[in-house]
Amino acid sequence: QLQLQESGPGLVKPSETLSLTCAVSGYSIGRDYYWNWIRQPPGKGLEWIGSISHSGTTYFNPSLTTRVTLSLDTSKNLFSLMLASVTAADTAVYYCARLYITTWNKENWFDPWGQGTLVTVSS
Amino acid sequence: DIQMTQSPSSLSASVGDRVTITCRASQSISTYLNWYQQTPGKAPKLLIYAASSLQSGVPSRFSGSGSGADFTLTISSLQPEDFATYFCQQSYSSPYTFGQGTNLEIK
Repeated sequence: QLQLQESGPGLVKPSETLSLTCAVSGYSIGRDYYWNWIRQPPGKGLEWIGSISHSGTTYFNPSLTTRVTLSLDTSKNLFSLMLASVTAADTAVYYCARLYITTWNKENWFDPWGQGTLVTVSS
Repeated sequence: DIQMTQSPSSLSASVGDRVTITCRASQSISTYLNWYQQTPGKAPKLLIYAASSLQSGVPSRFSGSGSGADFTLTISSLQPEDFATYFCQQSYSSPYTFGQGTNLEIK
């Protein structure tokens, strides 16, 4: 069964870089699919951050593209997020999720999701 | 970016009620529309994909319909575990975007 688990510091200082990893079990991330980060500020809605394919191709939300780096480590079966120059507005629960894409009509959806990890930006 | 607008933003209902939540896209997205359920402190859970397909393990009281720009999520008979927040999400084009959520509360 495919499972995802986020990890990383729960507190980051303003202007520093937020770094999170998503450990995947039950599937080799280098085989297929797109691997994603999504965030949710406290009490608010969901924002897609970006996606990295099994071969390392990346796609980003234009609102964050200048600050986001995604990477894949197939030897450890995990993928990572780095978000530079953080501010209080980046305080959120960060989720990782697989993007499942059908082969016949490219319908796609996020499933499963990790449990999420809260990152607070504060000095 | 494609904007997703859900209505209502909040809804009070009773166990056994039939409930409908709507989601409107700012442009046509065919059937590239997914629904998620989120309970407090938990990750969103996929309920409906491709507008009307029920995810494995999701009770049949949940159903989705629509195409183009207008979609609905219907719960035929509310159960206590259904009181949660529901989000729609378009998967037609990047950046993927979500509705603002509908908070379903117990009346």
